[in-house]
Amino acid sequence: ETGVTQTPRHLVMGMTNKKSLKCEQHLGHNAMYWYKQSAKKPLELMFVYNFKEQTENNSVPSRFSPECPNSSHLFLHLHTLQPEDSALYLCASSPRTGDEKLFFGSGTQLSVL
Amino acid sequence: SQQGEEDPQALSIQEGENATMNCSYKTSINNLQWYRQNSGRGLVHLILIRSNEREKHSGRLRVTLDTSKKSSSLLITASRAADTASYFCATDAVGFQKLVFGTGTRLLVSP
Repeated sequence: ETGVTQTPRHLVMGMTNKKSLKCEQHLGHNAMYWYKQSAKKPLELMFVYNFKEQTENNSVPSRFSPECPNSSHLFLHLHTLQPEDSALYLCASSPRTGDEKLFFGSGTQLSVL
Repeated sequence: SQQGEEDPQALSIQEGENATMNCSYKTSINNLQWYRQNSGRGLVHLILIRSNEREKHSGRLRVTLDTSKKSSSLLITASRAADTASYFCATDAVGFQKLVFGTGTRLLVSP
């Protein structure tokens, strides 16, 4: 285990649903990240949080809404998603932004019907 | 884009053989990292090589870096079926504070 836990592991939702992805890290890190991994595409950085403050939003559509209540927890709230949003969503953490090594969770495999 | 690109996209070998994967990138970097991903799982950090290093070893892994060619290679020696996974390079470009990942090489090691 990497010390980064994501739930749920799998999620199927309709385009009108609202759901949330959760990430928790037990490593004492201060930076947390959301990545999107689609088939045959590079990992796409979505959001970066450093000490609970959002430091990067990589032009992500507003139907994805992140929340970082503390340095150990990160959420991704989803609403009115599109089928093309189906992907593996990965959470990662590091001691701080700009640190060299990321620790990833196992991801949430999302299917939007 | 500073994105790394791995080559080949897919590689199939027999147990005991060596596997070599390459990564090319476009901008000056602080360091380059290799990660491994088992199917449907998260990425696991394997090794980091800094821009002033040319070669690094970790167990059966050997990484080289040629900053003049903006390329790196990952060699897995004496491969095992358990090495079957996707392997990604990630670059930490000068002036940026984020890693950018390539598209990965899918390695299949057959018993």
